[in-house]
Amino acid sequence: QVQLVQSGAEVKKPGASVRVSCRTSGYGFTSYYVHWVRQAPGQGLEYLGIINPRSDYTIYAQKFRGRVTMTRDTSTTTVYMELSSLTSDDTAVYYCAREEPAHCYFDYWGQGTLVTVSS
Amino acid sequence: EIVLTQSPGTLSLSPGERATLSCRASQSVNSNYLAWYQQKHGQAPRLLIYGTSNRATGIPDRFSGRGSGTDFTLTISRLEPEDFAVYYCQQYSGSYTFGLGTKLEIK
Repeated sequence: QVQLVQSGAEVKKPGASVRVSCRTSGYGFTSYYVHWVRQAPGQGLEYLGIINPRSDYTIYAQKFRGRVTMTRDTSTTTVYMELSSLTSDDTAVYYCAREEPAHCYFDYWGQGTLVTVSS
Repeated sequence: EIVLTQSPGTLSLSPGERATLSCRASQSVNSNYLAWYQQKHGQAPRLLIYGTSNRATGIPDRFSGRGSGTDFTLTISRLEPEDFAVYYCQQYSGSYTFGLGTKLEIK
């Protein structure tokens, strides 16, 4: 079955970076895009960007350009999201989610990773 | 960037009642690229509807979606206890955006 399994919770200090992993299984890794979406406590969903595992091509939401980097490892079918220069506003649950190319919706989601930024 | 406005913010209904949730876009949205998600507390969102009106795999037929242009609606025909959750609409039109959600609570 399709699974996206994310790494565990992180606590970071302001100014630091965090890397969250999303290990995929149960489908063709290079046949689907992977997106990242976050949710601050008690808030709605905010889009961060997309990576095409086949080509390694990425597109980042304008708000996060220069601060977010998405990569993939085809040998382990894992996607990574790194966010730098963290502030308390980055405290959120970060989700990876899968998209079949050109469908523009997310059919499977990871379980979420809580990133807490605190001094 | 297209802004999605969901209303109401909170909807209080009883099991067995009909729920109508609205999602209004700041510009016209291609109906192929409008989706709805359900999120329960502490869980990841779950895809309900894609392409405005297509139910995702395993979604009961009490869930239905319709709309076009800038106005879209999610309807739950007869609420079951497990339907009380937060619902988000999402669109793609060059970039991906979500609405702020409608919380469906038990009256």
